[in-house]
Amino acid sequence: GDSVTQMEGPVTLSEEAFLTINCTYTATGYPSLFWYVQYPGEGLQLLLKATKADDKGSNKGFEATYRKETTSFHLEKGSVQVSDSAVYFCALNSGGYQKVTFGTGTKLQVIP
Amino acid sequence: DTAVSQTPKYLVTQMGNDKSIKCEQNLGHDTMYWYKQDSKKFLKIMFSYNNKELIINETVPNRFSPKSPDKAHLNLHINSLELGDSAVYFCASSRLAGDNEQFFGPGTRLTVL
Repeated sequence: GDSVTQMEGPVTLSEEAFLTINCTYTATGYPSLFWYVQYPGEGLQLLLKATKADDKGSNKGFEATYRKETTSFHLEKGSVQVSDSAVYFCALNSGGYQKVTFGTGTKLQVIP
Repeated sequence: DTAVSQTPKYLVTQMGNDKSIKCEQNLGHDTMYWYKQDSKKFLKIMFSYNNKELIINETVPNRFSPKSPDKAHLNLHINSLELGDSAVYFCASSRLAGDNEQFFGPGTRLTVL
């Protein structure tokens, strides 16, 4: 079955540091890949997505590239802010009536 | 103009009670979901409905029963609550089943004493 593996947190960074959160996946076919973000006390919201190999999703300074050869979709941001503190979930969807499979989430804490 | 709303936001109850959580979406989406998030933030899908029909039913105790009166609503009823049911429950919706983006509600924090 489908699965998503993300790096365990928490990740603690100083403001303006570079962020990488690793995500690898196992899926049949050609899944769509997502990063969702959950701010404290809120539901998840879509951060970015990529639907085919080599696509790059980007939003709010975050980027992730769909790498089929390494089955990865790592999240990056060049300069994090305190307001980026949240839990980040990598996810995939194999299409049709398949459920979205979420990773276990990585908590990011950015300190001033 | 809330897209996906849930009520109540907080629910504290005793073991053995029966409770319901309501969810409504005003996005015109065809598919709705219930997720359970535990204290370690692990998110697990419970149910999915497409146009009022059940399409995903993960391994969930029979004490949990979803009800979809129309495609804009998906309620979750829980019988005989247990301590292990304490979690945050999220409702979500998407335009189509398996669609690229799901829209989540704010969550209902259930505490069973």
